[in-house]
Amino acid sequence: GAGVSQSPRYKVAKRGQDVALRCDPISGHVSLFWYQQALGQGPEFLTYFQNEAQLDKSGLPSDRFFAERPEGSVSTLKIQRTQQEDSAVYLCASSLLAGQKNTEAFFGQGTRLTVV
Amino acid sequence: DAKTTQPPSMDCAEGRAANLPCNHSTISGNEYVYWYRQIHSQGPQYIIHGLKNNETNEMASLIITEDRKSSTLILPHATLRDTAVYYCIVRGSNTNAGKSTFGDGTTLTVKP
Repeated sequence: GAGVSQSPRYKVAKRGQDVALRCDPISGHVSLFWYQQALGQGPEFLTYFQNEAQLDKSGLPSDRFFAERPEGSVSTLKIQRTQQEDSAVYLCASSLLAGQKNTEAFFGQGTRLTVV
Repeated sequence: DAKTTQPPSMDCAEGRAANLPCNHSTISGNEYVYWYRQIHSQGPQYIIHGLKNNETNEMASLIITEDRKSSTLILPHATLRDTAVYYCIVRGSNTNAGKSTFGDGTTLTVKP
């Protein structure tokens, strides 16, 4: 596709359940980012990949959050033992190059996770 | 990256110019000002960015004050589809494009 694709668009999980959120970046994009956006707030950075290497995971809120990008393309954000405070929209973004100030990131539509 | 301050909400009449302010008083010399917007149920969308000169593209104009401590995003002829949350971000030239620090933004409502 032409843009960043995320699936599922909506996910309802029972508290304690594990979830996996998928991101298909724009083909050929080197950099991939995950953000968490709580209701009424701006997106907050979670983690960053350059190809398959996870270079920054400083924003992951706990060790229940895990992200991977094994082949440098598709990425999965996994949340173990979900809790109600994990309810948010999870956004994925990709950019063509790495570390370039004029290389903009393109965002997907996000996955809305609701933990009940 | 420097912190930004934006009003939480603004209204604008359809067809009029929308002027969205942003304060970034702690900006440093190598930091750029970026604007994004987020329409309901979509991901953020890049609008424009600048260092110290005013910039214009097909979407908007960016006016940066001479001391660079504030800027204004101008949508010259706002339409109903411009209703969105607008984020002003300050980012260093070495900060990776996607690792942006978003605040809470300004909710712009364009009214008929």
